[in-house]
Amino acid sequence: DVKVTQSSRYLVKRTGEKVFLECVQDMDHENMFWYRQDPGLGLRLIYFSYDVKMKEKGDIPEGYSVSREKKERFSLILESASTNQTSMYLCASRSGPERDTQYFGPGTRLTVL
Amino acid sequence: GQQLNQSPQSMFIQEGEDVSMNCTSSSIFNTWLWYKQDPGEGPVLLIALYKAGELTSNGRLTAQFGITRKDSFLNISASIPSDVGIYFCAGQPWTGANNLFFGTGTRLTVIP
Repeated sequence: DVKVTQSSRYLVKRTGEKVFLECVQDMDHENMFWYRQDPGLGLRLIYFSYDVKMKEKGDIPEGYSVSREKKERFSLILESASTNQTSMYLCASRSGPERDTQYFGPGTRLTVL
Repeated sequence: GQQLNQSPQSMFIQEGEDVSMNCTSSSIFNTWLWYKQDPGEGPVLLIALYKAGELTSNGRLTAQFGITRKDSFLNISASIPSDVGIYFCAGQPWTGANNLFFGTGTRLTVIP
């Protein structure tokens, strides 16, 4: 079974702190994604990566950066956390292009005070 | 990104009833995925569909890839309390596309 793990299930940070969210997948997938999920807004793509050291902006990249130094690991960085970044953050890993399937991690609930 | 039209938004059903929900798009899709998400958890993949007309089952769940390639539906038969959660669809608009488009979700409540 594909496994996508995220470093923390719950995080509480203060405004202005630098925050790292880590995601690891064990299926040698090329593509990895970071989303945030908010009530009424659904899943919104922050950044994705299709290869090591490659990254592409998603729909809402402002205030975030990412790092993909190894194929299995994709990190989301909040350079200076703000209260409007309080959200559920979901990492995903995707096989493909044939029999394309995307798997999600368990999520990190981040609260910024 | 584009969101898919998913209906209904919510359903309240009695245990044992069957459930049906669907997703539609204005564009042609090459892949449809159906997920279930429990509160505070990440979405779990239920069924993946890759061909127009494809009908796939996973236990009490059955999903179909519409012939027009612009829709998909998910059926749950003989619902049980643990079916409670949010179900949402996702689609890939063309082969090799990096991003998926997601439905807005159907919140299912099963009354024992």
